[in-house]
Amino acid sequence: DSGVTQTPKHLITATGQRVTLRCSPRSGDLSVYWYQQSLDQGLQFLIQYYNGEERAKGNILERFSAQQFPDLHSELNLSSLELGDSALYFCASSVAGTGTGKNIQYFGAGTRLSVL
Amino acid sequence: AQSVAQPEDQVNVAEGNPLTVKCTYSVSGNPYLFWYVQYPNRGLQFLLKYITGDNLVKGSYGFEAEFNKSQTSFHLKKPSALVSDSALYFCAVRSKTGANNLFFGTGTRLTVIP
Repeated sequence: DSGVTQTPKHLITATGQRVTLRCSPRSGDLSVYWYQQSLDQGLQFLIQYYNGEERAKGNILERFSAQQFPDLHSELNLSSLELGDSALYFCASSVAGTGTGKNIQYFGAGTRLSVL
Repeated sequence: AQSVAQPEDQVNVAEGNPLTVKCTYSVSGNPYLFWYVQYPNRGLQFLLKYITGDNLVKGSYGFEAEFNKSQTSFHLKKPSALVSDSALYFCAVRSKTGANNLFFGTGTRLTVIP
């Protein structure tokens, strides 16, 4: 168990809908990352938050947004969902927000999103 | 820009034989390199990392990886494969000078045959 908790495990919804994915980082970790794993795109970085502030952005669509709350949990909001958004969404956490040697990212079990 | 290549989609090895999963990288400056493993319906588990120092890095579950700067490679190895090692393996790189996110390879599915 990595200590990173993601809910829900599975999500089935329809095109055009909006969903929220939740992530609780490991105790003591300040940084949260969101990744998308799909068959055609592989594992891609979406966005990073550090202590409540956005730190880095990757290939995140404008329809997607995230935030990190004062208790450090994070939510990824996906709106106007399309079939192609079906994927496994991972959250990871680490102690620090910058590239230090000790900064291992620990991953949650993921949320599997199916858009029908 | 940083990138990672895993040239083999699939690696099959007999139980008890040594295994190698290949990874090459491209990054400006010195890299931070990582290996993760993904079991079915599970998240990615950290195996090992290279930051600096000894080119042979030892990690979890008996895995090790060899960093080769001249060949820009970071191959994952294990002297004796177990059936339970069958999983999807990802190599990842993070630049020391850039953002903190990881760039992953496409993954290599390792099957250990009993």
